[in-house]
Amino acid sequence: GEDVEQSLFLSVREGDSSVINCTYTDSSSTYLYWYKQEPGAGLQLLTYIFSNMDMKQDQRLTVLLNKKDKHLSLRIADTQTGDSAIYFCAEMGGGADGLTFGKGTHLIIQP
Amino acid sequence: GAGVSQSPSNKVTEKGKDVELRCDPISGHTALYWYRQSLGQGLEFLIYFQGNSAPDKSGLPSDRFSAERTGGSVSTLTIQRTQQEDSAVYLCASSLAHGGRGDEQYFGPGTRLTVT
Repeated sequence: GEDVEQSLFLSVREGDSSVINCTYTDSSSTYLYWYKQEPGAGLQLLTYIFSNMDMKQDQRLTVLLNKKDKHLSLRIADTQTGDSAIYFCAEMGGGADGLTFGKGTHLIIQP
Repeated sequence: GAGVSQSPSNKVTEKGKDVELRCDPISGHTALYWYRQSLGQGLEFLIYFQGNSAPDKSGLPSDRFSAERTGGSVSTLTIQRTQQEDSAVYLCASSLAHGGRGDEQYFGPGTRLTVT
């Protein structure tokens, strides 16, 4: 089946930028998504990008998509303690019925 | 407006009992999805509805699992004869439309199911 891979942990200092990376295998992916999950909470949709775009910016969030390499990244500028969470990359392949998620990246903020 | 709601938030049941999980999607969302989140398997897609119809049920883990949606709104996920491996958080999501633009899925808080 299709696969989405992410690193399990990322540690950054407060105020620095965080870059969370994701790779996927489904070349027919049309939309790619980033979700945030805080402890004990559900999944919050952060942003998404259409596969014909290279970049999307939304306030502190920047999404970069390299479709050739099937690589997606999420950059969080000026990382704050409230950004501490698990970040999930997800894709919806052409003809798929549901999202395929990565295992999630735990973002740890150091003071 | 109101988001996706799920009930109950927590459910503890004995092995072999049946459970029913409920999802109320965002008003006006025609597509509804069920996922399962567990430590071992991560987030797994189970089934989706377009209106009241579920075109493909092959994502359900076993024939003990069933789902229905009535009136194009509320959905229930039923697990019969629960097993310990069914313990997980069951998440529901809804979107304006399935596939393509408008398929941004918004998730509910989930139901944590524990089978003892």
